[in-house]
Amino acid sequence: GAVVSQHPSWVICKSGTSVKIECRSLDFQATTMFWYRQFPKQSLMLMATSNEGSKATYEQGVEKDKFLINHASLTLSTLTVTSAHPEDSSFYICSADEVAYGYTFGSGTRLTVV
Amino acid sequence: QQQVKQSPQSLIVQKGGISIINCAYENTAFDYFPWYQQFPGKGPALLIAIRPDVSEKKEGRFTISFNKSAKQFSLHIMDSQPGDSATYFCAAKGDTGRRALTFGSGTRLQVQP
Repeated sequence: GAVVSQHPSWVICKSGTSVKIECRSLDFQATTMFWYRQFPKQSLMLMATSNEGSKATYEQGVEKDKFLINHASLTLSTLTVTSAHPEDSSFYICSADEVAYGYTFGSGTRLTVV
Repeated sequence: QQQVKQSPQSLIVQKGGISIINCAYENTAFDYFPWYQQFPGKGPALLIAIRPDVSEKKEGRFTISFNKSAKQFSLHIMDSQPGDSATYFCAAKGDTGRRALTFGSGTRLQVQP
């Protein structure tokens, strides 16, 4: 089946620094990637939709200058949390839509900002 | 219109019992209804999915029942096992101009030995 590899699985960073999260589609080409944020005991909230070679579309209330998304190739999308603050601590998950297997999710990244 | 309402919020079932989770939607443009299982610290994994042209789909111990007229669908886990203890999310997608899935609020299932 389709596999989306997400790294790192967890990261701790100091307040004010930036963190990059990578998602790679291993055995298919992902023209579209979705980025979600999940707080403890809550559902997945869509942050943005990224299309290869074009600017990401952000959901209302998501700061595009804070959450930078790059989708420069058909197999790699990155989310950079810039100037991270403790309130950005969350579980970030990427997903890709693959024709044969539907929506495949990465394993998630636990971000803790201290 | 984009919401998917899920219930119950939490569920405790004895081993061997049937777990039932329900979801309801408003948007009739939705045409794809998957269920995901998520363990702590992991991403969601697709369990089973259905399209509205069928009323039921079964895969192993997991069954989706779909009621198009009522705009409701449910997940049944037969012979529930402790290893099924996880959070389950229903979701929906359709020709709404939004490619991403719309998720329900989740159900935390605990199967007691």
